[in-house]
Amino acid sequence: AIQMTQSPSSLSASVGDRVTITCRASQGIRNDLGWYQQKPGKAPKLLIYAASSLQSGVPSRFSGSGSGTDFTLTISSLQPEDFATYYCLQDYNYPFTFGPGTKVDIK
Amino acid sequence: QITLKESGPTLVKPTQTLTLTCTFSGFSLSTSGVGVGWIRQPPGKALEWLALIYWDDDKRYSPSLKSRLTITKDTSKNQVVLTMTNMDPVDTATYYCALTNLNSSSDFFYWGQGTLVTVSS
Repeated sequence: AIQMTQSPSSLSASVGDRVTITCRASQGIRNDLGWYQQKPGKAPKLLIYAASSLQSGVPSRFSGSGSGTDFTLTISSLQPEDFATYYCLQDYNYPFTFGPGTKVDIK
Repeated sequence: QITLKESGPTLVKPTQTLTLTCTFSGFSLSTSGVGVGWIRQPPGKALEWLALIYWDDDKRYSPSLKSRLTITKDTSKNQVVLTMTNMDPVDTATYYCALTNLNSSSDFFYWGQGTLVTVSS
């Protein structure tokens, strides 16, 4: 199975900060990667699919980039509602695998 | 409007079989490219992909759980059922069902609210 790693595992940031989260796959996955946001007690929400496509209704401050093994989720200006845990998911082959998550909290 | 909702027991005993139902609306599982998957999350831990069934009845399973999982669909009822045998306390988790569509990507575009299943005697 493809292993997904994320860095950092957690970060503290302030409103307005630019935040970058990295996801790395153990082998090439083309651009078959999604980014999900999860708030406590809630289901995950798809933010980015196919590595860089913004899901409908998601604010444009979220962006994704990368292909192959290295991917990045960027929040250009962190908002109060963005404090959450972020997961990447590779859907290149089965079994699909999630990264371990990155928790973004308030500095 | 697309919705998914998980249902099933909140408490199961070790060694029992868990049956979860995902009831959905706003799409058809007979439409080409559509799939419904199951994902779980133990308390305080990361998400884990379990299984997925597609419109053409293609089924995919997590290798680590494949011997214990069965996923089926009832297109007429708009339901997907996941069964997991020989439940253990480590299977305590919130179980989610989610919609994917190969015509866009294999990502999960819509999710149910999740259902917490506790395994305890």
